[in-house]
Amino acid sequence: QSALTQPASVSGSPGQSITISCTGTSSDVGGYNYVSWYQQHPGKAPKLMIYDVSKRPSGVSNRFSGSKSGNTASLTISGLQAEDEADYYCSSYTSSSTYVFGTGTKVTVL
Amino acid sequence: QVQLVQSGAEVKKPGASVKVSCKASGYTFTSYDINWVRQATGQGLEWMGWMNPNSGNTGYAQKFQGRVTITRNTSISTAYMELSSLRSEDTAVYYCARRRGTTVAYYWGQGTLVTVSS
Repeated sequence: QSALTQPASVSGSPGQSITISCTGTSSDVGGYNYVSWYQQHPGKAPKLMIYDVSKRPSGVSNRFSGSKSGNTASLTISGLQAEDEADYYCSSYTSSSTYVFGTGTKVTVL
Repeated sequence: QVQLVQSGAEVKKPGASVKVSCKASGYTFTSYDINWVRQATGQGLEWMGWMNPNSGNTGYAQKFQGRVTITRNTSISTAYMELSSLRSEDTAVYYCARRRGTTVAYYWGQGTLVTVSS
């Protein structure tokens, strides 16, 4: 199972919106609405930000939103803030009853 | 509140095995699958496998088949991940994570650093 493809880096200025893509296949992202997104600050465990493509866990800012079209899922961060600077990973359930993570995206707040 | 507390850092020699524990609290241990995920230094997240604590059923990523074993002790609400035939490329932080619904990792442990070095 190959890792889902994400851009290596995305940057934006405070207050702007950015979008991170996560591209898979019809056997994972495209086949199920089971995509989740994780934020990871250096030296910390990942934190769930979005699950089931577009649902937010309790306590996660509504500046974070998720969507999916075909084999590509997306995470949008609106009103970018300094604390959003982190690594972001997507994940999907697969047709093999396994899970796969994305390659990861470093978000930089300019 | 849900907590997953993992065992401490380990240093192992190539060819050895390591067993990492993950003690769950704040919920009924047998009601939710546990997944294991690892992250080599400076690298991305990698899913290793899952276990149903109620049945003991497991599933592993093809990459780790034959080298990884996930078990549990329900009496102490603890899951274990054992990785054998260690090599330097296995040096990584290993995380346990609790599944919720279709989400592989709704809650995470703090991670356990395993260093493989001669």
